[in-house]
Amino acid sequence: DIVMTQTPLSLSVTPGQPASISCKSSQSLLHSDGKTYLYWYLQKPGQSPQLLIYEVSSRFSGVPDRFSGSGSGTDFTLKISRVEAEDVGVYYCMQGIHLRRTFGQGTKVEIK
Amino acid sequence: QLQLQESGPGLVKPSETLSLTCTVSGGSISSSSYYWGWIRQPPGKGLEWIGSIYYSGSTYYNPSLKSRVTISVDTSKNQFSLKLSSVTAADTAVYYCARQGIAVAGTTDDYWGQGTLVTVSS
Repeated sequence: DIVMTQTPLSLSVTPGQPASISCKSSQSLLHSDGKTYLYWYLQKPGQSPQLLIYEVSSRFSGVPDRFSGSGSGTDFTLKISRVEAEDVGVYYCMQGIHLRRTFGQGTKVEIK
Repeated sequence: QLQLQESGPGLVKPSETLSLTCTVSGGSISSSSYYWGWIRQPPGKGLEWIGSIYYSGSTYYNPSLKSRVTISVDTSKNQFSLKLSSVTAADTAVYYCARQGIAVAGTTDDYWGQGTLVTVSS
């Protein structure tokens, strides 16, 4: 199975400042269809995970444009351009190239 | 809008079988573009994918749980179910059901249920 590794595991950010989370996969997530199947989710406290980004850089419906994803192959990054209080929670990356899904360990984002 | 709702006992005794059902509304479980999956999260820990099923009954399981997991589908009720046998305290978790996309179909893992806490205790 593909191993997903996130860094850092926790992040404390001042409101209005940027934040960045890295995710590395043990195998390339580039599919033969030319798409790369890397997802980012945010799990807010007490809630189920919500989809932020799919296929590396596509924002899901209703996701603010301060969230952006980038990367290719095995190295990926989620960036928040200006962190807001409502962005606190745990961020997970997940590979979607194989039907046997695997998640990163999660990155907890807190507000200073 | 698609909604998924987990249901089942919140308390299961050690060595018994955990059984949960996910009811899908606002969309058909018989869609050819999606699998339907189960994910769990032990208290204070990360997400673990358990397995998924296609409307035809084709399944994929997490290798670490495969010997104890059975996922089934009932298209007439728009539901799919999870059974996890021989449970221990380590299986205590919030269990989520979710819609899982298929790469070749161009679909994404987009909707999750609210989750249900299952505690394994005597």
